[in-house]
Amino acid sequence: DIQMTQSPSSLSASVGDRVTITCQASQDITNFLNWYQQKPGKAPKLLIYDASNLEAGVPSRFSGSGSGTHFTFTIRSLQPEDIATYYCQQYDNNPPRFTFGPGTKVDIK
Amino acid sequence: QVQLVQSGAEVKKPGASVKVSCRASGYTFTGYYLHWVRQAPGQGLEWVGWINPNNGDTNSAQKFKGRVTLTTDTSISTAYMELSRLTSDDTAVYYCARVKELLYFGTMGYWGQGTLVTVSS
Repeated sequence: DIQMTQSPSSLSASVGDRVTITCQASQDITNFLNWYQQKPGKAPKLLIYDASNLEAGVPSRFSGSGSGTHFTFTIRSLQPEDIATYYCQQYDNNPPRFTFGPGTKVDIK
Repeated sequence: QVQLVQSGAEVKKPGASVKVSCRASGYTFTGYYLHWVRQAPGQGLEWVGWINPNNGDTNSAQKFKGRVTLTTDTSISTAYMELSRLTSDDTAVYYCARVKELLYFGTMGYWGQGTLVTVSS
C-alpha cells in the first residue's frame, strides 16, 4: 500500500505569512494528488486537484506543486479564515486505492 | 447545485450493524462515482470504499472487505453504506463524497455533511 506522510503535523503562523506544507508518497504517484481543507465540525473541502490545479471558487492564495513522490501546498498570505486542518490524498485505479495523509493543523500565532 | 444529504446520527452496540444513507440531488445520480470516507474522533480521514451508481460496481479498502456493503437505490438517488460487526473502533463520522467530475475518479469534489456513528455498550 502507498503511504502518505505530511509535514509539519501542525504549525502556527501570523496573518499574512506564507505557509508551506509538504506531502510525501512512499512510491511514485505521478500527479494523482489532491489537497483538502477541513474546518472543525465540517466536511472536507477540495482545494487543489491533480497536484497543482486550483478548484473553482478557491482563492488564488492557495497553490500546489510537485510530482512523483514529493508535493507542496502553499498558502501565499495566511488569512484568519484559513485556520483548518489540511490533508493531502493520493489516488490510483489499478487497483483502486485512495489514501489520505495524516493532516497538518494550521493555527494563527 | 450538487447536494449530498446524509442520514442522522446512530448509536449501536458492539456486534450490531449500521446503515447510513446519502441522498443526492442537483445532478444525474448514475453519472458519478460515490466514495465513503470516515473520520474517527480527533483523527484523520480514512477511505472506506466507493460505488458506481450506474452499474452497482463497488470496491472497498482491504480492512473493510467482508464487513462493508455499498448499495444504491437509483429510483431515489440514494446511496447506502452498511457496516456490520461493529466495534468501538468503528466510532466515527462517516462521509459520502461525489467525485469532482466524470474522469476524476479519485477526486472528491462534493461531500455530505457527515453521519456520526457511535458504537458503545
